[in-house]
Amino acid sequence: LAKTTQPISMDSYEGQEVNITCSHNNIATNDYITWYQQFPSQGPRFIIQGYKTKVTNEVASLFIPADRKSSTLSLPRVSLSDTAVYYCLVGGVYNNNDMRFGAGTRLTVKP
Amino acid sequence: DSGVTQTPKHLITATGQRVTLRCSPRSGDLSVYWYQQSLDQGLQFLIQYYNGEERAKGNILERFSAQQFPDLHSELNLSSLELGDSALYFCASSGPRGFSEQYFGPGTRLTVT
Repeated sequence: LAKTTQPISMDSYEGQEVNITCSHNNIATNDYITWYQQFPSQGPRFIIQGYKTKVTNEVASLFIPADRKSSTLSLPRVSLSDTAVYYCLVGGVYNNNDMRFGAGTRLTVKP
Repeated sequence: DSGVTQTPKHLITATGQRVTLRCSPRSGDLSVYWYQQSLDQGLQFLIQYYNGEERAKGNILERFSAQQFPDLHSELNLSSLELGDSALYFCASSGPRGFSEQYFGPGTRLTVT
């Protein structure tokens, strides 16, 4: 089972780069890694998805080492509006029955 | 706006009752997922439908059931409600790829009294 483990909370300041790491030791060959952002009382919002190495889009980067047992979401130059809960989700084409969100990391960005 | 709609937004009902939550996926999306989020449980995957067929099942109770109709909207039925069923229920939809990114609706807040 591809259980994920993330830090419960993190604090940062505006303008800093934030890196949130997710551990997924039992990731399967067909599993992808997806990160979501959630604000209070709203549905999670897709941030980025990757399978291996590095993926970058307009809001974040995702680093995945060769063994794929962990992944790191990198948020460049965070602002107060990035204060949210960030979830790492691991699952794949053939493993949707085990599609589970981790407990999430509550990121607080301070001025 | 994700393009996923859910109704109703809020629902208050009594223990033992039955309710139906409705979800309309984004245009063109064939997959619909249901999640439950309560304060002490985080985001729990319940069930997934793909083009009308059940595709994956998570931690869904036997008192709960779902279906996806030919027009691709989905309904989640919750019966014999208990106080512990009070939660936010989210629907999400995704495209045809096996593990496409999911787009979540605004949720239905269910309160069981």
